[in-house]
Amino acid sequence: RKEVEQDPGPFNVPEGATVAFNCTYSNSASQSFFWYRQDCRKEPKLLMSVYSSGNEDGRFTAQLNRASQYISLLIRDSKLSDSATYLCVVNPRGSSASKIIFGSGTRLSIRP
Amino acid sequence: DAGVIQSPRHEVTEMGQEVTLRCKPISGHNSLFWYRQTMMRGLELLIYFNNNVPIDDSGMPEDRFSAKMPNASFSTLKIQPSEPRDSAVYFCASSPQGEGIYEQFFGPGTRLTVL
Repeated sequence: RKEVEQDPGPFNVPEGATVAFNCTYSNSASQSFFWYRQDCRKEPKLLMSVYSSGNEDGRFTAQLNRASQYISLLIRDSKLSDSATYLCVVNPRGSSASKIIFGSGTRLSIRP
Repeated sequence: DAGVIQSPRHEVTEMGQEVTLRCKPISGHNSLFWYRQTMMRGLELLIYFNNNVPIDDSGMPEDRFSAKMPNASFSTLKIQPSEPRDSAVYFCASSPQGEGIYEQFFGPGTRLTVL
């Protein structure tokens, strides 16, 4: 079983729609969780961290469910510019000086 | 801040040749990571350094791969000899070290093609 698993998609949704995707992780002791965004032929960039209480940043909401070992990302009122690959990231040790595990990514395409 | 700098941005070489990829991390960052990304395997961590010391190289595929960090502002990833299956995008990332600081900042990547 992969340490971090994501549905590869693609998710193809119309502009303005709400879209959500999940990510599961295998290490129950994992400390920190993130969503990164990667545009086509670009480097990954941090989108948001995921906290136990859930957190929101504008149109984006991230949630963590430790009992079921998954994290989720919800995008409301999707824009064309949201088209990208979203990478789920798990840090087993909670320190920036340690290895983090990337999921293989979920591709999102927003159509006009 | 210039961000993480990688060179070259593109490299095309023939099988058997030596390839050297270079990375300059963000000034003040203590941790440096080398990743490889392919369609089949996604983003894989090859090796990472803390304070110029290699900590975990378990992701390095085989002895043909080696990485060095002679000082805080420079790292290299070398492949010798290169093979077609090494074709991928290689990313370097850096991160400030410490609890509560988690973001890794990625460079633009080097797109390697081995013919």
